[in-house]
Amino acid sequence: GQNIDQPTEMTATEGAIVQINCTYQTSGFNGLFWYQQHAGEAPTFLSYNVLDGLEEKGRFSSFLSRSKGYSYLLLKELQMKDSASYLCAVMDSNYQLIWGAGTKLIIKP
Amino acid sequence: ETGVTQTPRHLVMGMTNKKSLKCEQHLGHNAMYWYKQSAKKPLELMFVYNFKEQTENNSVPSRFSPECPNSSHLFLHLHTLQPEDSALYLCASSQETGGSYNEQFFGPGTRLTVL
Repeated sequence: GQNIDQPTEMTATEGAIVQINCTYQTSGFNGLFWYQQHAGEAPTFLSYNVLDGLEEKGRFSSFLSRSKGYSYLLLKELQMKDSASYLCAVMDSNYQLIWGAGTKLIIKP
Repeated sequence: ETGVTQTPRHLVMGMTNKKSLKCEQHLGHNAMYWYKQSAKKPLELMFVYNFKEQTENNSVPSRFSPECPNSSHLFLHLHTLQPEDSALYLCASSQETGGSYNEQFFGPGTRLTVL
């Protein structure tokens, strides 16, 4: 079967750096997405990786290793507003998104 | 209105009721999706429409019935639901289905409670 694993919950301190990992086993690979979802709100797109390496976008970066079936989302200079769930999703060979259960990130002052 | 909108935002219904969820996208997209989001579980894809044609039905019980009258509107008709159907129902849209870079834009969801 297809599977996406990410930690259920993480806690970090305001101003610090946090890395959220995602490992996947899917039938084929056509890219990996990260979404942010604040409580009670819509998921919003953060990043897309299809080739190995690091994609940087401001305070957020996303890394992909296709050979290891592994990605991480790196958040720098954490702010209280970064408290949210972070969803990892992989597009399989049928161009269907397979979703992880999400990582709830709690930021403490 | 911009983006993807969903109504109602909250819905409480009995198991014998019939209700409908509405989704509208203002992005000029051709594909629309219904997802079910339960606590601590991955998003479950329910239905996909591409250019108004249903392309995916992921073994969803018949008590959920989708309708897509045009590329901008999507409905989910509900009848004789079960308490385990209580969840957040998310609508999303994208330019179209297929293709590797296919960013989906989500609505805020309808929080459904079945009593």
